[in-house]
Amino acid sequence: EAEVAQSPRYKITEKSQAVAFWCDPISGHATLYWYRQILGQGPELLVQFQDESVVDDSQLPKDRFSAERLKGVDSTLKIQPAELGDSAMYLCASSTGTGRGEQYFGPGTRLTVT
Amino acid sequence: KQEVTQIPAALSVPEGENLVLNCSFTDSAIYNLQWFRQDPGKGLTSLLLIQSSQREQTSGRLNASLDKSSGRSTLYIAASQPGDSATYLCASHGSGNTGKLIFGQGTTLQVKP
Repeated sequence: EAEVAQSPRYKITEKSQAVAFWCDPISGHATLYWYRQILGQGPELLVQFQDESVVDDSQLPKDRFSAERLKGVDSTLKIQPAELGDSAMYLCASSTGTGRGEQYFGPGTRLTVT
Repeated sequence: KQEVTQIPAALSVPEGENLVLNCSFTDSAIYNLQWFRQDPGKGLTSLLLIQSSQREQTSGRLNASLDKSSGRSTLYIAASQPGDSATYLCASHGSGNTGKLIFGQGTTLQVKP
């Protein structure tokens, strides 16, 4: 069964350092999403890609976060510099079509900033 | 702006009990509603998706219903098992044409043997 892949699964970094997360969506899924989930809360969208184009990045803290999906397949989310408040689970999801379809999530990356 | 609420935040039941998890949303013009399961420290597993034209969906012991007029969805779990212990999240698509999901805060279920 096809799955969304993410790496690393866990990341511990010191504040002010740079950190990067990688996501490989289900093959053929044109839409890719990055969500952030703070402990005890539901996920919140950071950025949505349609192929290689950004559809929605209204909640992405652009002063320190960046995301790319250069060839419309896998994607990288970067934080520089990391802050203590960035400690959270970072989830990647994908869906077919142009969005609004069923979303499939990866295992997530648990980030701890010390 | 769509808001999604799940009450209660936590629920504990004995094994074998039938139970209902609640989800309410403020914008009745939803496109679809999706229920997820999340085990501690893990990603989300999609359980059921109900399109706006549907009233319910079933998968095994799970049944999800959607009532747009009242802004409510329920997830019914029959004959609960300890393996059902997890956090259950509901999410609906926000306004506009993007695929952004708006999540509730989840209900953490514990099924005691």
